[in-house]
Amino acid sequence: QVQLVQSGAEVKKPGSSMKVSCKASGGTLSSYPISWVRQAPGQRLEWMGRIVPIVGLANYAQKFQGRVTITADTSTNTAYMELSSLNSEDTATYYCATLKGDYESGSYFFDNWGQGTRVTVSS
Amino acid sequence: EIVMTQSPATLSVSPGERATLSCRGSQGLSTNLAWYQQKPGQAPRLLIHGASNRATGIPARFSGSGSGTEFTLTISSLQSEDFAIYYCQQYIERPPTFGGGTKVEIK
Repeated sequence: QVQLVQSGAEVKKPGSSMKVSCKASGGTLSSYPISWVRQAPGQRLEWMGRIVPIVGLANYAQKFQGRVTITADTSTNTAYMELSSLNSEDTATYYCATLKGDYESGSYFFDNWGQGTRVTVSS
Repeated sequence: EIVMTQSPATLSVSPGERATLSCRGSQGLSTNLAWYQQKPGQAPRLLIHGASNRATGIPARFSGSGSGTEFTLTISSLQSEDFAIYYCQQYIERPPTFGGGTKVEIK
């Protein structure tokens, strides 16, 4: 089973951008569509988007459209999630996860998760 | 988007007892429902998919049931390592959405 290792915690200023990485080991990233899910303190898990690394095709939640970019570098087995125009409501733990199911239709669940990256947005 | 509602918010159970957690969807999901367990400081872990199929390595004391809009996760005999927060997630349509969670605590 592939293991996902994420980059470390970050503190960001309001208005800035963040970029979190998710490196796959024990498997080839191109074999695994990847989603990003976040969890703000005391809030439910929230899907942000997904990418199919082998074709580089990304799809985003409407809430984050225009602010989020998900990419993948198959040569380094690493996926990235960049979120711009940060505000305090973006303070959360961000997870990458492999998905199982039909990525075209959006009918999928998350079978393998990274350890999470805590991002704090504060002035 | 589909709204997922879990109940109760907190469930107090003694070790060895049975725990029954509920999840409801705002519209029919067929069996496109997954359950996750999350412990403090850890990522969620997949327990159940397809409403009733245990994920690899999940003990048999975890079972899922239901279809349509009503689902149940049952832990037959709670072990110390089972005290955690449990989330359901629908995946019949995009965006996938999660419930608010049920915290299972020691009574």
